[in-house]
Amino acid sequence: EVQLVQSGAEVKKPGESLKISCKGSGYSFTSYWIGWVRQMPGKGLEWMGIIYPGDSDTRYSPSFQGQVTISADKSISTAYLQWSSLKASDTAMYYCARHAAAGRSAEYFQHWGQGTLVTVSS
Amino acid sequence: SYELTQPPSVSVSPGQTARITCSGDALPKKYAYWYQQKSGQAPVLVIYEDSKRPSGIPERFSGSSSGTMATLTISGAQVEDEADYYCYSTDSSGWVFGGGTKLTVL
Repeated sequence: EVQLVQSGAEVKKPGESLKISCKGSGYSFTSYWIGWVRQMPGKGLEWMGIIYPGDSDTRYSPSFQGQVTISADKSISTAYLQWSSLKASDTAMYYCARHAAAGRSAEYFQHWGQGTLVTVSS
Repeated sequence: SYELTQPPSVSVSPGQTARITCSGDALPKKYAYWYQQKSGQAPVLVIYEDSKRPSGIPERFSGSSSGTMATLTISGAQVEDEADYYCYSTDSSGWVFGGGTKLTVL
């Protein structure tokens, strides 16, 4: 069974750094794109970016390029989303999700993590 | 940047057919996908590649695409189908979600 288990909720202050995680199991971690999706309070889903853990090829939405860093550690089947300096506007639920099919040409998310709530407040 | 446009809300009575549209310039060449998100839960894929239904999704969910518009149809909507629905696609420069449509069934 494919599972994506995300790290727990975080409360941070503006300017602090943060790295949240998403551990995959039940499949070959290196063979599937895994990505991150933001959902601000009461708002819709936003595609942030994806990484192919097999070779760390990473793609970002223009809206998030330079604002966050997506990485993966294939030795522990874990993907990460990190910020170097949080802002109050980063307050949101963040979901990791895995593409449906193996390989670099796969195109859509089928499996989702449970979400990590990040709250940034002074 | 690429945008997918959905109506903010759709409302139907139980047993009626609900149709949710998604408009995007690249849809004639790219597949549309649909996700259902119930309150407080992670999204669930309900339609992929315009019209295919994943295992476990009820047959009342169907999808179609023509020109620049994709449509999610729920035939005989149930109270449990009340949720936010998002279309998802690409224009080759990146992937985007539509703004979401709140489906009310009452």
